[in-house]
Amino acid sequence: EPEVTQTPSHQVTQMGQEVILRCVPISNHLYFYWYRQILGQKVEFLVSFYNNEISEKSEIFDDQFSVERPDGSNFTLKIRSTKLEDSAMYFCASTRLQGGLWNTEAFFGQGTRLTVV
Amino acid sequence: GESVGLHLPTLSVQEGDNSIINCAYSNSASDYFIWYKQESGKGPQFIIDIRSNMDKRQGQRVTVLLNKTVKHLSLQIAATQPGDSAVYFCAETNTNAGKSTFGDGTTLTVKP
Repeated sequence: EPEVTQTPSHQVTQMGQEVILRCVPISNHLYFYWYRQILGQKVEFLVSFYNNEISEKSEIFDDQFSVERPDGSNFTLKIRSTKLEDSAMYFCASTRLQGGLWNTEAFFGQGTRLTVV
Repeated sequence: GESVGLHLPTLSVQEGDNSIINCAYSNSASDYFIWYKQESGKGPQFIIDIRSNMDKRQGQRVTVLLNKTVKHLSLQIAATQPGDSAVYFCAETNTNAGKSTFGDGTTLTVKP
């Protein structure tokens, strides 16, 4: 069964450093998302991406964050200067079109646990 | 602003019993409501969705009920199994935006 894959599974970084979280969405999917989940809390939307541009972003997704689809398979989230409060599990997700319409079934990756020290 | 929440943070049931997980939402403009299951150490997994113009939808062992009058959503799991133990999130979404807004989660524990 196709799945969304994320690397690395765990990233430890020092405050102020840049990190890039990587995702490979399911190959025929067209909509891509990043969510984060602080330990023990709910899943929070960060950004959605479609047709090589950001569709929507949340208040969390400030100037320190950026996304990119550098090639036909990867989808990355960059945090330019990490803060302690960026520590969380980051999930990538993707959805497909079905019958020409956006499909609600989002497929999530296993997540990258980011720890900022 | 929009928010989605759950009534109970934890639910414990006996194996074989039916489970009901509840959710309250506030955004009347959402097009779809979704239930996700999140097992420990994994990402959310789509279970079932319901469109806002429906009040009931059934899947395999699961039923979602939508009451728009009181802005309430529920997930019913029939014959709950140990493998159903997880955190369950309701979420609302809008076909224009595509993002999902998640609620706080209910931890379901199934006792053998």
